Amino acid sequence: DAKTTQPNSMESNEEEPVHLPCNHSTISGTDYIHWYRQLPSQGPEYVIHGLTSNVNNRMASLAIAEDRKSSTLILHRATLRDAAVYYCILRGRGSRLTFGEGTQLTVNP
Amino acid sequence: EAGVTQFPSHSVIEKGQTVTLRCDPISGHDNLYWYRRVMGKEIKFLLHFVKESKQDESGMPNNRFLAERTGGTYSTLKVQPAELEDSGVYFCASSLRSTGGYEQYFGPGTRLTVT
Repeated sequence: DAKTTQPNSMESNEEEPVHLPCNHSTISGTDYIHWYRQLPSQGPEYVIHGLTSNVNNRMASLAIAEDRKSSTLILHRATLRDAAVYYCILRGRGSRLTFGEGTQLTVNP
Repeated sequence: EAGVTQFPSHSVIEKGQTVTLRCDPISGHDNLYWYRRVMGKEIKFLLHFVKESKQDESGMPNNRFLAERTGGTYSTLKVQPAELEDSGVYFCASSLRSTGGYEQYFGPGTRLTVT
């Protein structure tokens, strides 16, 4: 599985936008970019995924660089409930998800 | 629609005992996955079922772990005999398809403590 690199931690203020970066320079043409998050004492939760084009859903937006070597998860208005560990994962033909350490997002009131 | 459910939520057993974890996937999801996080480590893949067949069990740590999915519905993960290093949180996930464009939905996990 191709590797991703994320900052260990980020901080945001409530109701402000948050941009969580992810580098994946070894991404292959068939790899989808997935984002999951894990709130304390819960299982991982699917957030969003994309292949080449930017994606929006009710939870977040995913901005994918033109060369696909990086992507950014955008939370448009952070709430206290968004405090979690966010994982950027490349998913290709293999079935598994390979979790790294992720980014611990702290949201300040 | 009901999500992925896991039972029990917590289990405390002694070293050498047997424990069976259960996972009920989202209805209609043929793909079922087991993952675990042991203390201080990252979440690791254990195995993948497509219906009742094991598609990939390369992440199973050793032969003390046995996973089954009879009838292609719920799955069980048995640890026999349990060792101290088996302590951690075991997650189950399911998805409609196994290809890259499909997301996985996770259960809340079973916290296993081996004393």
